[in-house]
Amino acid sequence: NAGVTQTPKFQVLKTGQSMTLQCAQDMNHEYMSWYRQDPGMGLRLIHYSVGAGITDQGEVPNGYNVSRSTTEDFPLRLLSAAPSQTSVYFCASSYSSPAGSYNEQFFGPGTRLTVL
Amino acid sequence: RKEVEQDPGPFNVPEGATVAFNCTYSNSASQSFFWYRQDCRKEPKLLMSVYSSGNEDGRFTAQLNRASQYISLLIRDSKLSDSATYLCVVNTNGNKLVFGAGTILRVKS
Repeated sequence: NAGVTQTPKFQVLKTGQSMTLQCAQDMNHEYMSWYRQDPGMGLRLIHYSVGAGITDQGEVPNGYNVSRSTTEDFPLRLLSAAPSQTSVYFCASSYSSPAGSYNEQFFGPGTRLTVL
Repeated sequence: RKEVEQDPGPFNVPEGATVAFNCTYSNSASQSFFWYRQDCRKEPKLLMSVYSSGNEDGRFTAQLNRASQYISLLIRDSKLSDSATYLCVVNTNGNKLVFGAGTILRVKS
């Protein structure tokens, strides 16, 4: 099993450009999520999905869109990149929702994004 | 006030020392609790879950105090390989997890 994979590993964008960060998992997990990690702030939830066709907003959703057409894939789209979106982005998956459970979150290796 | 707060450290300890981290959370309805470990420029990985009765895994002991709304992690006989950032994670609201900013541990020989 490859686990959770993310592409690209690194990306540099100019302000205003759009792009899609890819995330895929091969563990048949229902729950997938996107976080951004900034120095001193920990991981902050951007969007999450409890299953194919279902997505919802996290703590910091503005400027990002997601879709979940299959169980395996959960792409994150930056609509019009801004310097404030410079960050490290992690995708994660778990067997099911964390609600009241002790499901382990499996993280991808991250995408380091710089917006100039 | 942040939902999950940790002392950022760094905690600088010699090999063999015992070190403890605390984490406080603000939502008394929080349901599940974890410690994750993150090495430099890597993804977080689950270290251990924290159960109401407390739990131990080798040199690591985690405890939960619901009345005071904090969880703790104790590391005994620290190894150089324990150097990392330790993230406190809480399921505070249904489908969401909230991560603390992390506590940096440096174990020195």
